[in-house]
Amino acid sequence: SQKIEQNSEALNIQEGKTATLTCNYTNYSPAYLQWYRQDPGRGPVFLLLIRENEKEKRKERLKVTFDTTLKQSLFHITASQPADSATYLCALVPYRGSTLGRLYFGRGTQLTVWP
Amino acid sequence: DTEVTQTPKHLVMGMTNKKSLKCEQHMGHRAMYWYKQKAKKPPELMFVYSYEKLSINESVPSRFSPECPNSSLLNLHLHALQPEDSALYLCASSLGQGAEGEKLFFGSGTQLSVL
Repeated sequence: SQKIEQNSEALNIQEGKTATLTCNYTNYSPAYLQWYRQDPGRGPVFLLLIRENEKEKRKERLKVTFDTTLKQSLFHITASQPADSATYLCALVPYRGSTLGRLYFGRGTQLTVWP
Repeated sequence: DTEVTQTPKHLVMGMTNKKSLKCEQHMGHRAMYWYKQKAKKPPELMFVYSYEKLSINESVPSRFSPECPNSSLLNLHLHALQPEDSALYLCASSLGQGAEGEKLFFGSGTQLSVL
């Protein structure tokens, strides 16, 4: 079967530490992968996109890696803050050339950063 | 204006009611989407409109009827819903130029309860 797995439903870390979230997929060949943040009762907000030919992408305190051999993306938040507490979703279009808009989401990892 | 606006924010309806969810964006985006999200689950794609034409229907029951009156507006008409249809309904938009990796801009959603 085809699926996207985010291996931790919840992750709790102390302020200042680095949070690492994992997204694994099976039976897909995505050309790129996206990460979104979702706060309770709100819609997801786009954070980063990484393409299959990019090993790493950075934006401020965020870093994403993409390993198409392992079929895995890692999402890192360095120097984490309580304001980073939210659910983080990975998303992908399953195949190169897939119809525009068929973006599939993982279940998400709920991150809690405590002071 | 980089917002997607959804109304109403909350809706309670009976199984015999007819109601509509509304979505509006003024970013010049040409693709608009409806997603359904249950608690602690990923958003699930329902419909995609591209250039005001329905391009994807993910086998959604006919009690959900989408409409795209123009490039800025997207409606979801609801009729004879079931209690299991209770969920957060999210509208999103993207540039719609067909380029891979287009990010989605989401509204805050309508929290729907069917009694």
